[in-house]
Amino acid sequence: GAVVSQHPSWVICKSGTSVKIECRSLDFQATTMFWYRQFPKQSLMLMATSNEGSKATYEQGVEKDKFLINHASLTLSTLTVTSAHPEDSSFYICSAASGVGEQYFGPGTRLTVT
Amino acid sequence: DAKTTQPPSMDCAEGRAANLPCNHSTISGNEYVYWYRQIHSQGPQYIIHGLKNNETNEMASLIITEDRKSSTLILPHATLRDTAVYYCIVRVGGGNQGGKLIFGQGTELSVKP
Repeated sequence: GAVVSQHPSWVICKSGTSVKIECRSLDFQATTMFWYRQFPKQSLMLMATSNEGSKATYEQGVEKDKFLINHASLTLSTLTVTSAHPEDSSFYICSAASGVGEQYFGPGTRLTVT
Repeated sequence: DAKTTQPPSMDCAEGRAANLPCNHSTISGNEYVYWYRQIHSQGPQYIIHGLKNNETNEMASLIITEDRKSSTLILPHATLRDTAVYYCIVRVGGGNQGGKLIFGQGTELSVKP
């Protein structure tokens, strides 16, 4: 149990375009989902926290207009990187938590912006 | 949330116990100690967590000192597949509170044949 999936697992896009990443909790209802970013050889950095049906809470320094997060249902959250640039290339990881469980992480999405 | 200090890297022989230390000297009374690991290019995997008492599950054991200022994660019989970065995190809230996790640099464990 406690499986979290992400789609796509990797994506290449051109500079200036937008990319949407999906995060799904497959066997539980996730009241809260988190989005992280990880650059090579670095640790995970929390970007934002989203609760189902509410606006996301962004960490300091994360541009909310650039990284759009939607948590429209208890099993799906999406992260849209708008007007992507090469510096947005990174490994994006989501995690999901229910009201009675731990956080479980997705496998991550590798984004490359050319 | 309190900060943690871990050695940047450790080696362990396959089949031996891997003991990963973590210092969290500023931990508060309501903060739990969590351990996650991340195998290269994958999402983190939950291992174990505890508040005061030592904990054991099918993956590992967690030993927390009486003053709660440090802890040790023990992998009893390390295998090559345990090679990963191990993160020790302290945060408020237990299993029924999905609070945010703040990751430090972790310990890169290399299990060698």
